Amino acid sequence: QVHLLESGPGLVRPSETLSLTCTFTGDPTSTKSVYWGWIRQPPGKGLEWLGSRSSGGTTFYNPSLMGRVTISVDTSKRHFSLSLTSLTAADTAVYFCVRDLRDYSGSSIDSWGPGTLVIVST
Amino acid sequence: SSELTQGPAVSVALGQTVTITCQGDSLRLYSVSWYQQKPGQAPVLVISDKNKRPSGIPDRISGSSSGTTASLIITGAEAEDEADYYCNSRDTHGNHLIFGGGTKVTVL
Repeated sequence: QVHLLESGPGLVRPSETLSLTCTFTGDPTSTKSVYWGWIRQPPGKGLEWLGSRSSGGTTFYNPSLMGRVTISVDTSKRHFSLSLTSLTAADTAVYFCVRDLRDYSGSSIDSWGPGTLVIVST
Repeated sequence: SSELTQGPAVSVALGQTVTITCQGDSLRLYSVSWYQQKPGQAPVLVISDKNKRPSGIPDRISGSSSGTTASLIITGAEAEDEADYYCNSRDTHGNHLIFGGGTKVTVL
């Protein structure tokens, strides 16, 4: 298992771009394919997957975000990042960085950061 | 389909058994995972690959799946099991992840 920790601004203005970074420690390898991803949770609501990216560059994004999200990974530096553009109040949420393990039968999120609250407001 | 459906809430008496269900077409194709989330905390994986418990998860928590329905069963519920529970799978296209809306479990 790995330990993850998010960092970034807690307050962002509408229409601007959110940039978050996740740093991980521990052994990142697995018998399954490892993806690094982001999941968010608006206050009082459920979980929403934003996207996942492997160190090899295979990337999947939530189509509902309509191209606003980009994830980059640098496992040599033990970090990965989230960029989310054109922010609105609806993007206010706790953002979790995660390790997404995949094989032919499915996927599971076995490691989560503690989460960081991002508020979109003037 | 790209949806997983869970009931919003369920209650269980201390020491009794409770079952939480998750329904979706993608569960015919991909295995389900379950997460427990307590207030102010990150979710924790409690079941992966339909019925596998990660290290440290008590054996009173178990999972099963058949067709388009997956179940999380807590046998002999304890006060510490009070939490929100989310199911998760890949969608029918295979690359994207989807979550159920969550079920709040109250232990009476």
